[in-house]
Amino acid sequence: GESVGLHLPTLSVQEGDNSIINCAYSNSASDYFIWYKQESGKGPQFIIDIRSNMDKRQGQRVTVLLNKTVKHLSLQIAATQPGDSAVYFCAETYSNAGKSTFGDGTTLTVKP
Amino acid sequence: NAGVMQNPRHLVRRRGQEARLRCSPMKGHSHVYWYRQLPEEGLKFMVYLQKENIIDESGMPKERFSAEFPKEGPSILRIQQVVRGDSAAYFCASSPLGQATDTQYFGPGTRLTVL
Repeated sequence: GESVGLHLPTLSVQEGDNSIINCAYSNSASDYFIWYKQESGKGPQFIIDIRSNMDKRQGQRVTVLLNKTVKHLSLQIAATQPGDSAVYFCAETYSNAGKSTFGDGTTLTVKP
Repeated sequence: NAGVMQNPRHLVRRRGQEARLRCSPMKGHSHVYWYRQLPEEGLKFMVYLQKENIIDESGMPKERFSAEFPKEGPSILRIQQVVRGDSAAYFCASSPLGQATDTQYFGPGTRLTVL
C-alpha cells in the first residue's frame, strides 16, 4: 500500500541555522505534495506545495525539493527562528480524490 | 473572513455515549474533509464530502461513525457508542473546488476524550 513517511522523528537546531526535514513517499503516481506546520493545540497550517512536474519551489524562507527518482521530498527552512518550532508533516494528495495522506511528522525544536 | 470553524473545541464523553462534531467550512468552500489524529501521529483521512454528498469515505470505520454535510448548516461527524479508542483530535478541512491542487484549510480541531 501507499504510505508517506518521515526519516527523522525529531530535529533540534540552533536559532539562525538552516533546517532540513525529509519525507519519503511510496506511491510513484502521486502528483501533488504539501508541507504543513502544526503548532501545539492547533490545526495544520499550509506552508508550501509542489506539483510532480516540478523539482523545486521556493517560498519565503522555505524551499521544497522533490526527487521523483527516489520518491523523496524535503523542506528546507532558512535562518530558523524559535517561532518555527512545531511538528511538520508532509502530505501526498491524489489527483482525483482530493484527500491527503499524511506522514507521521517531524518535531522541530529551535534552541535560542 | 472567518476560517474553518469547529466546535466544540473539547468534548468529553463516557463510553457508550454519542459524540457530534461540527465543522463550518470557509465561506465559499463546498468541500469538506475529516481527519483523525492520534497522539504523536499524523492525520489520517476519514471522509470527504461535498454538499449533500459523500465523495470518499474510505477512511471511515465501518461501524459507529457517520458523516454528513447538508445543504444548509455545518458538516457533522457523528460517533455513536464511543469507546476509549475514539479519543483523538478530529480535524476538518475545506477547499473551494475539491481538486487535488486545492489548498485545504484546516480548522482548530475537536479534541475528544472518552472516559
